[in-house]
Amino acid sequence: QMQLQESGPGLVKPSETLSLTCSVSGGSISSPSNYWGWIRQPPGKGLEWIGSIYYSGSSYWNPSLKSRVTISVDTSKSQFSLRLSSVTAADTAVYYCARHGGYCSTTSCSFTEFDYWGQGTLVTVSS
Amino acid sequence: SYVLTQPPSVSVAPGETARVTCGGNNIGSKSVHWYQQKPGQAPVLVIYYDRDRPSGIPERFSGSNSGNTATLTITRVEAGDEADYFCQVWDISSDHYVFGTGTKVTVL
Repeated sequence: QMQLQESGPGLVKPSETLSLTCSVSGGSISSPSNYWGWIRQPPGKGLEWIGSIYYSGSSYWNPSLKSRVTISVDTSKSQFSLRLSSVTAADTAVYYCARHGGYCSTTSCSFTEFDYWGQGTLVTVSS
Repeated sequence: SYVLTQPPSVSVAPGETARVTCGGNNIGSKSVHWYQQKPGQAPVLVIYYDRDRPSGIPERFSGSNSGNTATLTITRVEAGDEADYFCQVWDISSDHYVFGTGTKVTVL
């Protein structure tokens, strides 16, 4: 059974960079059918996709966050990571990592459902 | 950008049928996925590709999608079905995921 687990600081100061890692077990992060995504949920609010990455390192972002987001993958550790720069209180949220499928051509992508999720980790932005 | 609209809340008595709608422009041309989220827990996929159920999800959960509305239907509702439900699509025109606003299903 595939499992994902987020880790990282629970408190980040405004203007600094939020960094989280997702560890994948029970399956290969290098499986060609899988993509790995980050989703966040502010307290009491809905879900927002942040971005996704393929094991090759190709990454994809929500246009609204693209300028602040970096997603990377370390296949040797079976981990992928999120960095979100210049954070503000509006970035306070539970951050989830999740697996999804799909494919990408040279011009566009088509992604599918998120079928495995981590438990989520709350990140608070405060001084 | 593409917008998915859900009713904030749906109330249903035990044993009855709950219907959660997800409205979007020509959503029938897209694949819709549905998630159940209980308080303090991660979302769980309950319907994918409009109407398919992952293993372990009861047959009481079903989905449909046509025109400008997708619908999640829960028959013979149980107390354990009380949760927030979110719809989701991939918007190929903007190359990103869109989630619905979420619906809280309350079992009376």
